[in-house]
Amino acid sequence: DAGVIQSPRHEVTEMGQEVTLRCKPISGHDYLFWYRQTMMRGLELLIYFNNNVPIDDSGMPEDRFSAKMPNASFSTLKIQPSEPRDSAVYFCASSSRWSSYEQYFGPGTRLTVT
Amino acid sequence: DQQVKQNSPSLSVQEGRISILNCDYTNSMFDYFLWYKKYPAEGPTFLISISSIKDKNEDGRFTVFLNKSAKHLSLHIVPSQPGDSAVYFCAGEGGGADGLTFGKGTHLIIQP
Repeated sequence: DAGVIQSPRHEVTEMGQEVTLRCKPISGHDYLFWYRQTMMRGLELLIYFNNNVPIDDSGMPEDRFSAKMPNASFSTLKIQPSEPRDSAVYFCASSSRWSSYEQYFGPGTRLTVT
Repeated sequence: DQQVKQNSPSLSVQEGRISILNCDYTNSMFDYFLWYKKYPAEGPTFLISISSIKDKNEDGRFTVFLNKSAKHLSLHIVPSQPGDSAVYFCAGEGGGADGLTFGKGTHLIIQP
């Protein structure tokens, strides 16, 4: 298995632009998680899905952030409009129903908003 | 409110010796505790876990100890190897949520 795939690996954009981050979870996994890593706050959970349904989005910082999972093999995290303080590394992770706590992370997307 | 705390940002250990990484937590509802290892420019990788009903779990060179009364867990790596140099994150899971709550990490440096 290729593991969790994220694209792009790096994204540089100007303030006010829309940014879309993509994730393909491990095949057969039922859970998908989006995390953000910053120097100030470390790794924090933004939102997670179970069987493509958003379960908990309490970590999403603002209405500018939205996430979708249209099918079991694809999820997006969108920021519109983007701001410099959104600059961070965004990780996607997935896990199976049998051990939801053992999460497998993608390589991350490093977002820079200028 | 930081529910998972790793108070040592970095730790330097000589190759072959034991590395001990510590973690404290405040949420008594966590069901599982996990340790993740992270190399630069990569995502965290799962290392070892322990259920809240256990006090020890061992996997090769890695052992995790849980002291529930003290709300403390530790990861022991013995013997330490150069490839162990990485950032180690402690995480808790449960309390009604499936996502992980991470500490801020400890950068372990193994010196030759």
